Parts: sequence; C-alpha cells; structure tokens
Amino acid sequence: SQQGEEDPQALSIQEGENATMNCSYKTSINNLQWYRQNSGRGLVHLILIRSNEREKHSGRLRVTLDTSKKSSSLLITASRAADTASYFCATGVGNAGNMLTFGGGTRLMVKP
Amino acid sequence: DAGVIQSPRHEVTEMGQEVTLRCKPISGHDYLFWYRQTMMRGLELLIYFNNNVPIDDSGMPEDRFSAKMPNASFSTLKIQPSEPRDSAVYFCASARGYNQPQHFGDGTRLSIL
Repeated sequence: SQQGEEDPQALSIQEGENATMNCSYKTSINNLQWYRQNSGRGLVHLILIRSNEREKHSGRLRVTLDTSKKSSSLLITASRAADTASYFCATGVGNAGNMLTFGGGTRLMVKP
Repeated sequence: DAGVIQSPRHEVTEMGQEVTLRCKPISGHDYLFWYRQTMMRGLELLIYFNNNVPIDDSGMPEDRFSAKMPNASFSTLKIQPSEPRDSAVYFCASARGYNQPQHFGDGTRLSIL
C-alpha cells in the first residue's frame, strides 16, 4: 500500500479561493515533499519539509507537517486557473530518504 | 540549465519487442531515478543510481526490466520482451545530492499492443 495518501482525491474551487490538500503517511519519515503535475507533463517540485520542521512557505504555498499525527497539508492561497493540476505528496524514509514513496494525488481544478 | 531530457516521448510497439527508454539527467546531479506511473498503481520508483552505480532496484518488476547508467549524462531503461501490462508513463528524475528535490523529465508514454 502507498505510504502517503492525499485527501481529497479531487477538489474544485473558484479562482481566488484557497485550496487545502492533506497528506497522511504511515511510518516515520526523513522528509516530505510536495510535487505538482500538469496533464501530460512531468512532476515539478514545490516544497521539501524535513521531519524536524513544522511549517514552510514559498510564495502562495504553505506546507505544514505534524509528525505526531503523521500528516501534512499544502495550502495554496488566492488560487489561479494556472494552479489546475494534480498535487502529490512524497515521503522519504530513514537512511533511504532519497527513495520517495508517492501518494495517489489530489486533482485540483481552479475555475476562472 | 536544461532540464531532464527523456526520449522518446511516445513509443508504441508490439508485445515481445525490446523497448529502450533514454534519459539525460541535469548536469551536476549525482542521483538518477526511474519511475513508472499508471492509473492503477500510481507513481512507483523502479530503480535509482548514485554516481552511476545502481543503489536500489527493488522496484524493478521483473527480470525483463533492466537499467544502466554508463556515464553521468546518460541512462537507459530496457524492457525485453515487452508485454501489454508494461504500458505506462515512464519518468526519469535527477537530484543534486541526498535528500534533495528531484527534477523530473516529461516522461515516455509507452503503449505495448
């Protein structure tokens, strides 16, 4: 089974609204990363948060990590139509932190 | 900087044929990863290299799959013989160092008839 599971599987919002996606995982992690994938393209790295960090920001993106609950969230503020994509969380575990296990993704649609 | 380059972008072939997928990582990146993405199984890590040496190939599904990295700027993933269940999008990614973000190519969409 997958280490990371995103919730919801699909999300549809209006432009300008905020979008929140959640990720839960099962075992202790070294780091957690969020990626975006546009249709027909490869994944693009968004944010990496290490197990000793609780929150990171990058532009309109905010990621939180709660290791006690084994969960993370990705918040996109003031969404734009161009944010329409699938978003994946990926976890790196222990000494094999480079070996990422990806969740099933959240499909985000932002309507103009 | 050029990104990760994969070729071909699309491949359609008949079952039983040999398939070779190619990847050029970003210059200076010492980690290279091969992934497979399907609707049913999502994104799966097949194998990864560090400094051209295979480190973990536990994700390679069968002996029909093999990967090589003869030098720092080139890697191949081969399937021989190919089967319809191998149909998927195959991604190559590279990273500059341990626990660093991975940079993905745009993938090869493989269809085995």
